[in-house]
Amino acid sequence: NAGVTQTPKFQVLKTGQSMTLQCAQDMNHNSMYWYRQDPGMGLRLIYYSASEGTTDKGEVPNGYNVSRLNKREFSLRLESAAPSQTSVYFCASSEQGIEQFFGPGTRLTVL
Amino acid sequence: KQEVTQIPAALSVPEGENLVLNCSFTDSAIYNLQWFRQDPGKGLTSLLLIQSSQREQTSGRLNASLDKSSGRSTLYIAASQPGDSATYLCALGGSQGNLIFGKGTKLSVKP
Repeated sequence: NAGVTQTPKFQVLKTGQSMTLQCAQDMNHNSMYWYRQDPGMGLRLIYYSASEGTTDKGEVPNGYNVSRLNKREFSLRLESAAPSQTSVYFCASSEQGIEQFFGPGTRLTVL
Repeated sequence: KQEVTQIPAALSVPEGENLVLNCSFTDSAIYNLQWFRQDPGKGLTSLLLIQSSQREQTSGRLNASLDKSSGRSTLYIAASQPGDSATYLCALGGSQGNLIFGKGTKLSVKP
C-alpha cells in the first residue's frame, strides 16, 4: 500500500498563475484533509472532506478551492497564486475519529 | 477556540536520557489526541493516538498520557537515541476529524 500520495513534490509559480495539487489515498478512508505548514505558524487546516461528495472550509480557506473527485482523490486548487501562499502543503486521510495519515507534502513557492 | 501549546520549543539531551515532551490545550472537549514525528523536509509520521476515553497509550519506548481535566498530554521517550532527533507535534482531534496542531518541540539527542 502506498498510503497517501501527493503530486507534485515541488512547484514554483509566478504570482497570478494557477495550479492544482493532487492527493490520493489507498486506505479506503472516508475523510480527507488539506493542511498548510508555515514557519512559526504550525499546521493549519485549509479544507476537509468528511465523506465523498462533501467538502467544508477549515481555518484558512481563502484563495483555495477543493474537489473530492471520488473516495480516493482530493485535490486543492489555487486559482490565482499569491506570495502568501508559499508554504508546504500536506494532504491527510482517516476514518473519522481514528488515526490520521499524512502524505509527503508539496513544497510550493510563489514568486 | 481550541489552542494547543507545546513546551519547550526546543530540547537538547544526551543519548540515553529519558525525556518528557509537554502538550497543553484549552478546551477539554476533544475526540482524540495524536502525537506525530516530523523529520526535516519530510511529512508527518503518526506515533500514538489516544482516544478521549483513554488515559495512555504505549508503543515501544514511547508512552503518551492524556489528562483532559487539566488539559494536558505528555509524550515520554525512554532511553533516547540520536535517531529520535526530530520535531514532535501534538494534535487534537475535533468533531469532524480535523486536527488542531501545536507548533512542536524540536528534539536533538546528542551521541
